[in-house]
Amino acid sequence: EDQVTQSPEALRLQEGESSSLNCSYTVSGLRGLFWYRQDPGKGPEFLFTLYSAGEEKEKERLKATLTKKESFLHITAPKPEDSATYLCAVRNFNKFYFGSGTKLNVKP
Amino acid sequence: NAGVTQTPKFQVLKTGQSMTLQCAQDMNHNSMYWYRQDPGMGLRLIYYSASEGTTDKGEVPNGYNVSRLNKREFSLRLESAAPSQTSVYFCASSESGLTNEKLFFGSGTQLSVL
Repeated sequence: EDQVTQSPEALRLQEGESSSLNCSYTVSGLRGLFWYRQDPGKGPEFLFTLYSAGEEKEKERLKATLTKKESFLHITAPKPEDSATYLCAVRNFNKFYFGSGTKLNVKP
Repeated sequence: NAGVTQTPKFQVLKTGQSMTLQCAQDMNHNSMYWYRQDPGMGLRLIYYSASEGTTDKGEVPNGYNVSRLNKREFSLRLESAAPSQTSVYFCASSESGLTNEKLFFGSGTQLSVL
């Protein structure tokens, strides 16, 4: 059964305190692992796509990495504006399977 | 650019009432999707349309019907609403449904069924 699990459910950081979010997955035929950011009251917004183990992508303070069983979203020196829920999803053919997300709160 | 537009933004129904959620995209995308988001359960796919004229069931299709009216519009209908359908509904689209295509989401419809 295709499944995506994210941890932790919630994470509170001080501004500048780096950390990582985890996404572990089981999927019969991975056709991409996706990271999205979701702000309250809005739809998810695309951040990254990763396709193969060892791949890394960066955007500002965010870096996503991928292994055969999990992905990490590393946040370096976060700012309060990075506060949001971060969603991980895997694609199997025409279907995307989403995790329940990690709610990140960055305090100034 | 409007992107993906959903209406209404909020709706309250009584058990047994029916309603249609509307979705339109202006990006000339081929594929469109309906998801529901519940606390602690992530986004779950209800139905999707890989291209105009086709629709397929997702993970949780029971109690819903869809219509791909044309390339731009994809509607979701609740024929007889139940409290278990209280949720936030998101419409999404992607260019062609190929492996590397990301989803673009609307801003959601918050539905309460009393």
